[in-house]
Amino acid sequence: DSGVTQTPKHLITATGQRVTLRCSPRSGDLSVYWYQQSLDQGLQFLIQYYNGEERAKGNILERFSAQQFPDLHSELNLSSLELGDSALYFCASGGGGDAGELFFGEGSRLTVL
Amino acid sequence: KNEVEQSPQNLTAQEGEFITINCSYSVGISALHWLQQHPGGGIVSLFMLSSGKKKHGRLIATINIQEKHSSLHITASHPRDSAVYICAAGTGNQFYFGTGTSLTVIP
Repeated sequence: DSGVTQTPKHLITATGQRVTLRCSPRSGDLSVYWYQQSLDQGLQFLIQYYNGEERAKGNILERFSAQQFPDLHSELNLSSLELGDSALYFCASGGGGDAGELFFGEGSRLTVL
Repeated sequence: KNEVEQSPQNLTAQEGEFITINCSYSVGISALHWLQQHPGGGIVSLFMLSSGKKKHGRLIATINIQEKHSSLHITASHPRDSAVYICAAGTGNQFYFGTGTSLTVIP
């Protein structure tokens, strides 16, 4: 058990809809990272938050947004969903700063029909 | 060109064999991670390296900062080592991922 909790584990929805994925980091970790893993693209870094502030942005679409709350949990919002958004979405947490360890949640599997 | 390249993409080994997976990167990094992903999706961080060499049981990871290269070695491989191994290199702010090496160890 990594200590990182992601909900929901599975989600099926339709094109055009909006979903929210939730991540609770390991106790004491200030950084939360979101990743997307689709079959054809491997793991892609989406965005990082550190202690409530956006720290880095990767290949995150404009239809996606995230935030980190004062209790350090994070939510990833995906809107106007398309078939291609079907993927595993992983959250990882770490102590932040450089050279930090990463602890991954079990992922949320999103299927867009 | 990807910032992180792994080789081989696929690897099949007999139980007991010594296995090496390679990772080359082109970005400046403060750390390199080796991750293991089993069928079913869960990802486990095996190693975090910024220099030198680390060993956990039958797993050894090395990194050469000057050559921008890292290797993951598995000694005395076992079928339970069958998984996808992913290299991730970057800074605390952003990591770049290799496409993974799918390892199958046959009894």
